Amino acid sequence: DVQMTQSPYNLAASPGESVSINCKASKSISKYLAWYQQKPGKANKLLIYDGSTLQSGIPSRFSGSGSGTDFTLTIRSLEPEDFGLYYCQQHNEYPFTFGSGTKLEIK
Amino acid sequence: EVQLVESGGGLVQPGRSLKLSCLASGFTFSNYGMNWIRQAPGKGLEWVASISSSSSYIYYADTVKGRFTISRDNAKNTLYLQMTSLRSEDTALYYCARRVYPGTPFDYWGQGVMVTVSS
Repeated sequence: DVQMTQSPYNLAASPGESVSINCKASKSISKYLAWYQQKPGKANKLLIYDGSTLQSGIPSRFSGSGSGTDFTLTIRSLEPEDFGLYYCQQHNEYPFTFGSGTKLEIK
Repeated sequence: EVQLVESGGGLVQPGRSLKLSCLASGFTFSNYGMNWIRQAPGKGLEWVASISSSSSYIYYADTVKGRFTISRDNAKNTLYLQMTSLRSEDTALYYCARRVYPGTPFDYWGQGVMVTVSS
């Protein structure tokens, strides 16, 4: 199975700042990495797939980069609604595996 | 609007069975692969099972293989998860999610249904 190591576990930032979340795969997954946002009472939202492709309807302040084993989600100019949990997931092979999550909190 | 609504959760004793349903609307259900993903309380996401659009291809996580069965009824726009021999570690919020085609991520998720396995 592909192990996904996500960091940091917690992140505190202020609105307007930029943050980055990292995800490392235990073996190459080519470009097949997705990022999701999770908020209480709402359906999980797909933000980025194929490493850097922005899902339809997602603001351009979200961006993804990387390939192979190392990937990064960057959120520029944080908005209040961006705070929540973020997960990476490899969608290259079964079993699909997720990172352990990053909690983005307001500083 | 794409909607996925899970149902069938609840409190169940260890060793018993439970069947979850996911009613889909707002898209042509028979064209999409469907999936179950779960999240134990305070924990991360764990993929559980996947089924292709025509039910030709089915995959399970090792943790549920032999105990859970994923199925679908395209005429009823409904995805199912039959869970047997339930264990305390199966306690989780169970989500259904859609995939466009193999190699793609989960583009729409339901809000989840809670399953609690306890005596």
